[in-house]
Parts: sequence; structure tokens; C-alpha cells
Amino acid sequence: DQQVKQNSPSLSVQEGRISILNCDYTNSMFDYFLWYKKYPAEGPTFLISISSIKDKNEDGRFTVFLNKSAKHLSLHIVPSQPGDSAVYFCAASASGTDSWGKLQFGAGTQVVVTP
Amino acid sequence: GAGVSQSPSNKVTEKGKDVELRCDPISGHTALYWYRQSLGQGLEFLIYFQGNSAPDKSGLPSDRFSAERTGGSVSTLTIQRTQQEDSAVYLCASSSQGANYGYTFGSGTRLTVV
Repeated sequence: DQQVKQNSPSLSVQEGRISILNCDYTNSMFDYFLWYKKYPAEGPTFLISISSIKDKNEDGRFTVFLNKSAKHLSLHIVPSQPGDSAVYFCAASASGTDSWGKLQFGAGTQVVVTP
Repeated sequence: GAGVSQSPSNKVTEKGKDVELRCDPISGHTALYWYRQSLGQGLEFLIYFQGNSAPDKSGLPSDRFSAERTGGSVSTLTIQRTQQEDSAVYLCASSSQGANYGYTFGSGTRLTVV
């Protein structure tokens, strides 16, 4: 049973426009959410995170929004750049013993930024 | 080292053979994690280590899979009697602050069972 879902396997966006990636989760114990970016033949790299006590976290061109009541989060990239073309994974964890443990990952969204 | 190092980067093996995948975490990182990514799938948790012990090995798919970590550093993931469904990219990650602060991943080992 997949607890973190990314329902859009791919997204194409024009350079300079906004990319919006969506993620839904089912486990109400999740209280920390992260986004990772992955280029081909490389490991995922940490991008941005948000705690459940917040509803927004911003880092440069990247902003993550969290809607706890809807169990939904999104990643906004603005403006999108060609170097943003990658697979983006949403991940979640629950505090307590799991805080050192596993992250649950979504299946990923392939973003292609076109000139 | 500067990053998480995994070896080999690619491994092709015959069905039924045993394979060992190695992970060298970032020096000083006490937590180490193994994940795998099958074609078209997300990252699937396998096991994590805190020091040399494994508090959570719930993701290991079968008893053909085992992992160990020695000296709080290098970890080896062993797959015995490999099957074609074991074909995947096996990713190792390490952390000094726990999952909530993000892992540093290695580049992975692409395992192909033929």
C-alpha cells in the first residue's frame, strides 16, 4: 500500500514558467515532508523540506506548500530553468522512532523544461 | 569521504548467483539506509542502520536479502540466489541527523539479473 502518491508521472513546462508538482499522502502520522531531485545515473539529492507545523517553506526558486487537512503537498518552481529537468520525488516521515528511520517515497514526477 | 560511495556502479549477474553491493557512507554519519528503485517505481525502503545495528529491516523483500554494517562505517547488502525481479538500482544513503533532515544518497548500483 503506497502511502505517498505522486499521480503525475510527467510534467512539461516552458522555461520561465512555473512548475507545480503535487503529492498526496495517506498516513496521518507523517509530520515531515521532503522533496528530492534526481538526474539520470545519479542518486537523489535533497531539495527542500517542510514540517507539519508549517504550511509553507521557501528556498529561492523553490516553495513547498502543505495542506494537512487534505493530506496534500506541492512543490512550486518559479521560474523554471532547463537545469530543473529531472525526476522529483516526494517523501514523508513520522517523528519518534521513525525520525531516524525510513522515508516513504512517491513514484516520482519527470519534469521537462523546454526552451 | 566527501560523498556516499557505492560499488560496483553496474553489476550483471546470472540468475541464481549471489551478489554483494557495497556502500561507503560519509565519514561520521551514524545512520545508513538502503533503498532500491525498480523500473518505473519509486524508492523502496529496504533497511536502515544506526551504528552497526539495524533497528528497521522491515523492507527486506525476502530472506535472500541481508545486510551488515561494520565499524559504524561500510555496509554490504547481499542478495543470495538472485532472481530477475531483483533487477533494480540499489541506492545507499547516509545521514548524521536522521531522515527528517534529508539523506545524502550515493549514485547507486544498477543490478541486472539475466
